[in-house]
Amino acid sequence: EAQVTQNPRYLITVTGKKLTVTCSQNMNHEYMSWYRQDPGLGLRQIYYSMNVEVTDKGDVPEGYKVSRKEKRNFPLILESPSPNQTSLYFCASRTIQGKKTQYFGPGTRLLVL
Amino acid sequence: GENVEQHPSTLSVQEGDSAVIKCTYSDSASNYFPWYKQELGKRPQLIIDIRSNVGEKKDQRIAVTLNKTAKHFSLHITETQPEDSAVYFCAASIDTNAGKSTFGDGTTLTVKP
Repeated sequence: EAQVTQNPRYLITVTGKKLTVTCSQNMNHEYMSWYRQDPGLGLRQIYYSMNVEVTDKGDVPEGYKVSRKEKRNFPLILESPSPNQTSLYFCASRTIQGKKTQYFGPGTRLLVL
Repeated sequence: GENVEQHPSTLSVQEGDSAVIKCTYSDSASNYFPWYKQELGKRPQLIIDIRSNVGEKKDQRIAVTLNKTAKHFSLHITETQPEDSAVYFCAASIDTNAGKSTFGDGTTLTVKP
């Protein structure tokens, strides 16, 4: 089944404790992206990647890192989480040819105390 | 960068009525405009999209119109049903660039039976 998976789905952590949220897709998509969703603010793009070893900043990259060492994986890294990074995070992927439909993962709800 | 404004933020209609959600964008280079539906607790899913070389696109009860001159596009849902109740997001991006995506803040649609 074609899908985007994220882990963990829920995470409670404390300020300053490094964490990684994994994202994996099995559709051989070149493009992957991370978004955060906050009430009343819609989806805001954090980082995106057009292909392996190619990443770029979205609108809200501060406090986040990403890497794209393999085509299927695009982990989101919070080196020193802060309470203002408490949010719902979505990973998405799509092909860069043809139809540009983004397929979203199930989301990761993060609480930083 | 691109700025997308979406109105209204909440919309309540009676079952069977039509619903219209409007978005404006700022970057005249944007040429790809998808609409996503997000049911409570679920991930966003594409419901319809339009490119700038087309003025209108329909898919059963859903249609999207685009006015490039005025830089706005709208989602039209006819004969609304309770299962249409969800948060709807518009987005804008530059297709050839294919990297950045800017979303509107979302519209919460409630269809009352």
